Amino acid sequence: DAKTTQPPSMDCAEGRAANLPCNHSTISGNEYVYWYRQIHSQGPQYIIHGLKNNETNEMASLIITEDRKSSTLILPHATLRDTAVYYCIVRVVDGGGSQGNLIFGKGTKLSVKP
Amino acid sequence: NAGVMQNPRHLVRRRGQEARLRCSPMKGHSHVYWYRQLPEEGLKFMVYLQKENIIDESGMPKERFSAEFPKEGPSILRIQQVVRGDSAAYFCASSPQAGNTEAFFGQGTRLTVV
Repeated sequence: DAKTTQPPSMDCAEGRAANLPCNHSTISGNEYVYWYRQIHSQGPQYIIHGLKNNETNEMASLIITEDRKSSTLILPHATLRDTAVYYCIVRVVDGGGSQGNLIFGKGTKLSVKP
Repeated sequence: NAGVMQNPRHLVRRRGQEARLRCSPMKGHSHVYWYRQLPEEGLKFMVYLQKENIIDESGMPKERFSAEFPKEGPSILRIQQVVRGDSAAYFCASSPQAGNTEAFFGQGTRLTVV
């Protein structure tokens, strides 16, 4: 089962920042936080991942609280093409086997509106 | 560097036939994951394979489903004696190693059982 909790849906105005929250209160010390999104029925797209420090790439920023029990994905300037289901996933890093799996929950359906 | 390639993109089978879904991982990737997505539902993990080994098949139905990832060639997800309930999108992902790396997804195979 997924170890994360996300709101089922959110709206965001085009051009504004989209802040997507995720709770992972039972996260272990060796688990990273990963974010993926799925646009319509396409294959999931990797966005970003992190352990405890904030991370930024060309797509988004990831803010992880100091206790690591929650995180926020930030899309700084949302566009209509960012409308998708966003998945927050915790994934063990230590090695192979089932520890490497990505277990998807229900995600947050983000609707970017003009 | 081509992405994860899945074929066919669409597959129609009659009840009782066999379905073979192929996944060619990204170059240099030796780990493959298969997921199933039923209409209007989330992605469900099925199986995780390395070259010539099944690492975790905890999400695979006990009957009719099998997967392989041979030393040469693509990974194959095989569904024998398909039923209407097998109609779904099947996605595969690949990564160069388990752990702290992103997994990249293909565009999926949409199986329709008639």
